[in-house]
Amino acid sequence: KNEVEQSPQNLTAQEGEFITINCSYSVGISALHWLQQHPGGGIVSLFMLSSGKKKHGRLIATINIQEKHSSLHITASHPRDSAVYICAVHISNFGNEKLTFGTGTRLTIIP
Amino acid sequence: DAGITQSPRHKVTETGTPVTLRCHQTENHRYMYWYRQDPGHGLRLIHYSYGVKDTDKGEVSDGYSVSRSKTEDFLLTLESATSSQTSVYFCATRKRGGVPFFGPGTRLTVL
Repeated sequence: KNEVEQSPQNLTAQEGEFITINCSYSVGISALHWLQQHPGGGIVSLFMLSSGKKKHGRLIATINIQEKHSSLHITASHPRDSAVYICAVHISNFGNEKLTFGTGTRLTIIP
Repeated sequence: DAGITQSPRHKVTETGTPVTLRCHQTENHRYMYWYRQDPGHGLRLIHYSYGVKDTDKGEVSDGYSVSRSKTEDFLLTLESATSSQTSVYFCATRKRGGVPFFGPGTRLTVL
């Protein structure tokens, strides 16, 4: 079983809809990352969370450490939000920091 | 953007030949990672480094070796390439406690 599970795997929505992508993990972590991969392949970091909630523009990320769960929300979705969204957890093991990734959620926003 | 480059960006090789991929960073980040990305699997950790000459295996390390003789370079070697190693390879770097930065990826095809 993967240490990081994302849902859904694929999501198609109409422009303007509110989007939620979920991430659950099974290990103790020191931080959780949300990343975005565009069709061209480039991967960029969106958020790093260790508690609570962060907001950047129309993107909001939340984390519940006790429940080992995080969500990424997109408000007023736009076709340019179409991408693969990836959750990763940061496991710190005696100073050897390892990142473990979920399989990603492919989001398609239809105009 | 962090200064992370990968070379080559594309390579086609034959089964049984050795292949070395290079990741070069100009950010002086301590941690460096090699991942492979395959459909249905997401990003899987091959090897990572937590300092010069300090490396550790990831979840899919069989058939791969790495070396880090200086902070800025992390080399991934396939001693004898197999068709199952056809993939897109991403290098990432991060400083302690920071967000990951990704290279542009290397598309490797083993015939």
